[in-house]
Amino acid sequence: RKEVEQDPGPFNVPEGATVAFNCTYSNSASQSFFWYRQDCRKEPKLLMSVYSSGNEDGRFTAQLNRASQYISLLIRDSKLSDSATYLCVAGGPMDTGRRALTFGSGTRLQVQP
Amino acid sequence: DTAVSQTPKYLVTQMGNDKSIKCEQNLGHDTMYWYKQDSKKFLKIMFSYNNKELIINETVPNRFSPKSPDKAHLNLHINSLELGDSAVYFCASSPPGGAGEKLFFGSGTQLSVL
Repeated sequence: RKEVEQDPGPFNVPEGATVAFNCTYSNSASQSFFWYRQDCRKEPKLLMSVYSSGNEDGRFTAQLNRASQYISLLIRDSKLSDSATYLCVAGGPMDTGRRALTFGSGTRLQVQP
Repeated sequence: DTAVSQTPKYLVTQMGNDKSIKCEQNLGHDTMYWYKQDSKKFLKIMFSYNNKELIINETVPNRFSPKSPDKAHLNLHINSLELGDSAVYFCASSPPGGAGEKLFFGSGTQLSVL
């Protein structure tokens, strides 16, 4: 079983749509969670952290359900520029002072005009 | 003024050769990493150095040897390249004080072994 599992997509949505991605993680000891964005042939960039209480950053909302080991990302009012691959990331327990991050393989989003 | 820069961007080489990828960060971060992204797009950590000290060494063939001459540089040397080494290799760094979550990645080195 993959440590961080995501639906690879692609999710094809029209501009202005609301789209949600889900992710599950297998390591119950994971302590930190993130969404990264990766454009085609580019490096990943941090989109947002995910907190237990849920958090919002503009059109983006992230939620964490520790009981179900499940993370979600909601994008409202999709823009063409949101087209990218979204990587779900779980950070393991502290190990010699540094958590090892485990990346999912990503969910591809294509926003269409 | 690239924050994390790695060279070369593309590397095409024959099986059995030895090659190096260089990485430098000008962010003043203490921790640097090497990640490998394979054809299935999984990003997997290979190594992590904190202030020149190796702190994460995942199950990677010993043909891969990282070297950190100072905390701003982390190079990756690969001996006896194999076809399965073909992938995109990303260098990254993270700021001090946190737990390494906010990673700043270089633009990647696409390695093709023929």
